[in-house]
Amino acid sequence: EAGVVQSPRYKIIEKKQPVAFWCNPISGHNTLYWYLQNLGQGPELLIRYENEEAVDDSQLPKDRFSAERLKGVDSTLKIQPAELGDSAVYLCASSSKSYSGTQYFGPGTRLTVL
Amino acid sequence: GNSVTQMEGPVTLSEEAFLTINCTYTATGYPSLFWYVQYPGEGLQLLLKATKADDKGSNKGFEATYRKETTSFHLEKGSVQVSDSAVYFCALSPDGGGTSYGKLTFGQGTILTVHP
Repeated sequence: EAGVVQSPRYKIIEKKQPVAFWCNPISGHNTLYWYLQNLGQGPELLIRYENEEAVDDSQLPKDRFSAERLKGVDSTLKIQPAELGDSAVYLCASSSKSYSGTQYFGPGTRLTVL
Repeated sequence: GNSVTQMEGPVTLSEEAFLTINCTYTATGYPSLFWYVQYPGEGLQLLLKATKADDKGSNKGFEATYRKETTSFHLEKGSVQVSDSAVYFCALSPDGGGTSYGKLTFGQGTILTVHP
């Protein structure tokens, strides 16, 4: 079974440029999560999808961040414009619909904003 | 709100030493508790979990027991190997439904280095 796929693995951009990250969850997993992991810290949830609906986006900075999961499968997280403080690892995870469903993580995208 | 506190690292051990990484949490009710491991250059992998008080999660020689009375979920391994070198994260998922369902709250992580 394929795991959570993310691309790109690494991205270097200039500040004020846009950037997008893509995630394909494990097949059949209805729930998809985007996390932000700063250096030396644990991941923090940005947004959670149940199928195509964003059910928890309270931690997503909506002035510059956006996300979509149009067909309830893969998802894109976008930052526009990027700031120096956005340099971090962006993790995607997915789980099947069960109360204590285990979240499976992708390898992440390491973003560097110069 | 919910929070997870891990012992500060990094932790450096010799091969075959005993490992303990402390984890305590703050949450209402009975959250599910997890240990995730992150090897260099890889994503987080679930190591073990426990979903109710007194449950013991175990995997690959690692163990952790859900202690409601002390709100703890300490990770232990009797004999570590060089290949166990990684970052270990304690996390909780709240019980109940609503928007908090499935929202993992992580500790800050503990770096473990095992020398031959």
